[in-house]
Amino acid sequence: QKEVEQNSGPLSVPEGAIASLNCTYSDRGSQSFFWYRQYSGKSPELIMSIYSNGDKEDGRFTAQLNKASQYVSLLIRDSQPSDSATYLCAVRGSSASKIIFGSGTRLSIRP
Amino acid sequence: GAVVSQHPSRVICKSGTSVKIECRSLDFQATTMFWYRQFPKQSLMLMATSNEGSKATYEQGVEKDKFLINHASLTLSTLTVTSAHPEDSSFYICSARDEGTDTQYFGPGTRLTVL
Repeated sequence: QKEVEQNSGPLSVPEGAIASLNCTYSDRGSQSFFWYRQYSGKSPELIMSIYSNGDKEDGRFTAQLNKASQYVSLLIRDSQPSDSATYLCAVRGSSASKIIFGSGTRLSIRP
Repeated sequence: GAVVSQHPSRVICKSGTSVKIECRSLDFQATTMFWYRQFPKQSLMLMATSNEGSKATYEQGVEKDKFLINHASLTLSTLTVTSAHPEDSSFYICSARDEGTDTQYFGPGTRLTVL
């Protein structure tokens, strides 16, 4: 089992709809969770971080964390074509200084 | 968000030469920096963890004598690809950890092409 798992996609969502990206992790003691966005040919950029159970909202983005289920998700409301990118879920484990990245979900917003 | 810079952004070199890539954290001190490599349409691959003032920790399968890492200050880490070959052509990305915010920020990446 991979430490951080994501569906590779592609996930195709119509413009204006909600895009839902999911991630599961294996280390039950993990405390820090991150979502990064990576455009083709560019480096990842941080979108959201979340540390406690529940929802965290920032503009059109909402991160959701459920530690009991070892599940973290990212919702993108009112999806725009510019949201088309690969989204990386990242988790800092209970005993590590490094972040473990999922392989990413490719999101495509169709006009 | 915090800024991490990388230089150069793009480099083309001949096979057998060495290439140095610099990574700087511009507005925070980074005890720990990370070096990644990414081939086209593939995932990020962690190469090594760079610790200020001590030896880097390399991931399994990464040759430490080929990819030399130096983290001489709290704002600068360098990666030197020694005796580069065409198979080393890739997108190299550094990342720095801001311990104050427990967040890892990425540099813009360096695209290396070895002829």
